[in-house]
Amino acid sequence: GAVVSQHPSWVICKSGTSVKIECRSLDFQATTMFWYRQFPKQSLMLMATSNEGSKATYEQGVEKDKFLINHASLTLSTLTVTSAHPEDSSFYICSARDGAPQETQYFGPGTRLLVL
Amino acid sequence: DAKTTQPTSMDCAEGRAANLPCNHSTISGNEYVYWYRQIHSQGPQYIIHGLKNNETNEMASLIITEDRKSSTLILPHATLRDTAVYYCIVTYNNNDMRFGAGTRLTVKP
Repeated sequence: GAVVSQHPSWVICKSGTSVKIECRSLDFQATTMFWYRQFPKQSLMLMATSNEGSKATYEQGVEKDKFLINHASLTLSTLTVTSAHPEDSSFYICSARDGAPQETQYFGPGTRLLVL
Repeated sequence: DAKTTQPTSMDCAEGRAANLPCNHSTISGNEYVYWYRQIHSQGPQYIIHGLKNNETNEMASLIITEDRKSSTLILPHATLRDTAVYYCIVTYNNNDMRFGAGTRLTVKP
């Protein structure tokens, strides 16, 4: 099956700093990538959808100026958490889809962010 | 909000079949049923999906009722490594994956 990687797998940072998370599709071209967030003991929540070369579409309640998404190529999307605060501590997961909307989304292993 | 209803938790004996139900009574004619699972602290793993017909792959079988208002994911011979949260998701264009609470399946020795 298709493989999606994320880097880093975990990160600890100080409050006020910015953190960048990378999401890569390793063996397919991802025309669309998705970013999710998962708090402890909760389900995944979609944050934003990004298409290669276009601006991301953010879900209601997600601050686009705080969570910067760049989908610069067909194999790479980045999520930057700007001026991170402790409440941003969460498990961030990306997924990628190849081609048509009916194609399956494949998920990365996730990045655990802890903001002190 | 998720369009599906799943039991909160289920147990299954190792080596036996695990049958995970999902209700999606408001499903539209062009919406697919997707199943993913999430093992603790990992990203979700795709299992199977279907539209109308029953589907089978190397991981599982998906049985969809004729009226498409419910479905069952079957793991034919559950192992301890199948312990996970299983999510049933209904979506038309795969742009709108709404994860509900899922079913926490525990496979016991």
